[in-house]
Amino acid sequence: DQQVKQNSPSLSVQEGRISILNCDYTNSMFDYFLWYKKYPAEGPTFLISISSIKDKNEDGRFTVFLNKSAKHLSLHIVPSQPGDSAVYFCAATAGTGTYKYIFGTGTRLKVLA
Amino acid sequence: EPEVTQTPSHQVTQMGQEVILRCVPISNHLYFYWYRQILGQKVEFLVSFYNNEISEKSEIFDDQFSVERPDGSNFTLKIRSTKLEDSAMYFCARATLYNEQFFGPGTRLTVL
Repeated sequence: DQQVKQNSPSLSVQEGRISILNCDYTNSMFDYFLWYKKYPAEGPTFLISISSIKDKNEDGRFTVFLNKSAKHLSLHIVPSQPGDSAVYFCAATAGTGTYKYIFGTGTRLKVLA
Repeated sequence: EPEVTQTPSHQVTQMGQEVILRCVPISNHLYFYWYRQILGQKVEFLVSFYNNEISEKSEIFDDQFSVERPDGSNFTLKIRSTKLEDSAMYFCARATLYNEQFFGPGTRLTVL
């Protein structure tokens, strides 16, 4: 039961260009979405989040877009830097209960210098 | 904002043995979570803990698993009789609100 999907397992981008990571979800009860970055042998690090009442949230080089009708969100990184190379997970949660996160399978981003 | 610390960083155990994984929040939080990530797979929710009680658990969290806050500070995950398929990274997370959860560095559990 994959409620959150990241269909691209990997992505390579040239330094300075835009990285776009995509995520789709199926559960219409999700109302809060997050992106996490993960390096090997480390815990996920929070990057940016968005509530379902918004369609865009920006924080420095990171922007998350939410298209509720399409049940799709994306993370834009501009400009991409070599230090951004990591695995990126999107996560979703519903605004009730314990707010557990449902994670996608991750996209490995490689930024080429 | 500081995250949580987890000990040990790596635990190797024999199948059938009990293991206890520990999580120490840096400051007081209301919500605690355990997640796991089997190598190459996604991060999966195990259990949430609120107000010193389990508030939700996944189907993975069967009778072999338990959680507690024995001294009001540490937050532990116990696996009573480990199986080979329990080998994974286990992450503790904490939250004060319903928003962002902050994860610890994880414990790598290897069951032989």
